[in-house]
Amino acid sequence: KQEVTQIPAALSVPEGENLVLNCSFTDSAIYNLQWFRQDPGKGLTSLLLIQSSQREQTSGRLNASLDKSSGRSTLYIAASQPGDSATYLCAVNELTGGGNKLTFGTGTQLKVEL
Amino acid sequence: DAGVIQSPRHEVTEMGQEVTLRCKPISGHDYLFWYRQTMMRGLELLIYFNNNVPIDDSGMPEDRFSAKMPNASFSTLKIQPSEPRDSAVYFCASSYRGGAGEKLFFGSGTQLSVL
Repeated sequence: KQEVTQIPAALSVPEGENLVLNCSFTDSAIYNLQWFRQDPGKGLTSLLLIQSSQREQTSGRLNASLDKSSGRSTLYIAASQPGDSATYLCAVNELTGGGNKLTFGTGTQLKVEL
Repeated sequence: DAGVIQSPRHEVTEMGQEVTLRCKPISGHDYLFWYRQTMMRGLELLIYFNNNVPIDDSGMPEDRFSAKMPNASFSTLKIQPSEPRDSAVYFCASSYRGGAGEKLFFGSGTQLSVL
């Protein structure tokens, strides 16, 4: 059974700092990996999707990398801002699943302080 | 498009009562997913549909849970009878084709409290 772990569980950084969020998964047979953002009381918003054949994806200040063989992904946030404060979740889409049958990590709660 | 729409946003009920959660997916999306989120277990997939047909309901915790999708624009998740341990945020999500390259779009969720 696929297990997805995110470290750290919570992170507090000053504004402007570059930071890295980590995600690891136990079964490397995946279709893709997605990073989501969740604001308090809201649903999830997809940030980046990396196919299993890709190594990284970039969107603005966000960069996500994938090392499928080692079962790891990182989300890099450059020049963090208070508006980046949220919970970030990674999710893997497994080859044995149908469509977007995602297994989620428990998330990293990020707080960017002024 | 208004995105995935869920109702109600909040539901408070007493143990033993029937609860019905509703979802309207994004128009044109052919996959619909129901997830449950708790502090203890995180996000769990309950069931998903493709073209209104249930594909995988292995995540449905018990027979007390049932889900339907009578047409492409509407789905319900019903709990009968409800129990306090069902308290959670229930999310509906949809995607186009649901394929490997397709992003998932989530609704804002229904916060369910069973007293």
